[in-house]
Amino acid sequence: AQSVTQPDIHITVSEGASLELRCNYSYGATPYLFWYVQSPGQGLQLLLKYFSGDTLVQGIKGFEAEFKRSQSSFNLRKPSVHWSDAAEYFCAVGARSSNTGKLIFGQGTTLQVKP
Amino acid sequence: DTGVSQNPRHKITKRGQNVTFRCDPISEHNRLYWYRQTLGQGPEFLTYFQNEAQLEKSRLLSDRFSAERPKGSFSTLEIQRTEQGDSAMYLCASSDSFMAPHYGYTFGSGTRLTVV
Repeated sequence: AQSVTQPDIHITVSEGASLELRCNYSYGATPYLFWYVQSPGQGLQLLLKYFSGDTLVQGIKGFEAEFKRSQSSFNLRKPSVHWSDAAEYFCAVGARSSNTGKLIFGQGTTLQVKP
Repeated sequence: DTGVSQNPRHKITKRGQNVTFRCDPISEHNRLYWYRQTLGQGPEFLTYFQNEAQLEKSRLLSDRFSAERPKGSFSTLEIQRTEQGDSAMYLCASSDSFMAPHYGYTFGSGTRLTVV
C-alpha cells in the first residue's frame, strides 16, 4: 500500500535561513509526487509536482524539490525563507497505475518562521 | 474563473442532525474530488466523480455519507445523523481528466464542520 511519511511535525527557522522539509514515500514503483501548502483555515495550494524527467523540480514561491529514487524521498527546499512562508506543508503521492488522480497525503509539517 | 468554491465555509451542527455541503468546481473541469481533513492530519480521499458518475468511494465514506454530482457541474456531500467524529474540514478539488492524475488539482477553501 502507498504511504507518505513526513518525519518532522513542526519546524522553526529564522527568516532568511534555508529550509528543507522531508518527505519519504512507500510505493512499488515511481509515483507522481506533489507538495502542497496550506495557510490556516484555507484549502491547499500546489507548490510543485514531479512525474518524470529532471529529478530537481522548481515550483512557485521560490521552492524546489528533489526526487531521489534510491532514498524514496522528495524533499522540499527553499534557500531563504520569508515570514509569509509560515504555513503547513503536505507531501502527497499519486499512483501511476491508476487514472483516478487520487492522492495519498502525509501528516504535514508546520513551518514557523522567526523574525 | 473564480476557482473552486465551497459553501458554507463553516457549519456548526448538533449531533444527529443532517448537513449538506456544496462544491462548485472550475467550470471546465470534469473531475471532482472530496477529501476530509481532521485536525493535525493530511487530507484523506473520500470519493471522486468524472462528470456525473461517481467512480470511486473510500471505505471512510460510511453509509451515512452520500455525494452527488447530478449534472456534472456542482457537487453536494451530505452527512446524515452526524457524529462528533465527523468534525473535520471537508475539501473539494477539481481537475481536467486529461491532466489528472499527474498534474495535481485545484482545491477549494473547504467547509469546516463542527458537531457539538
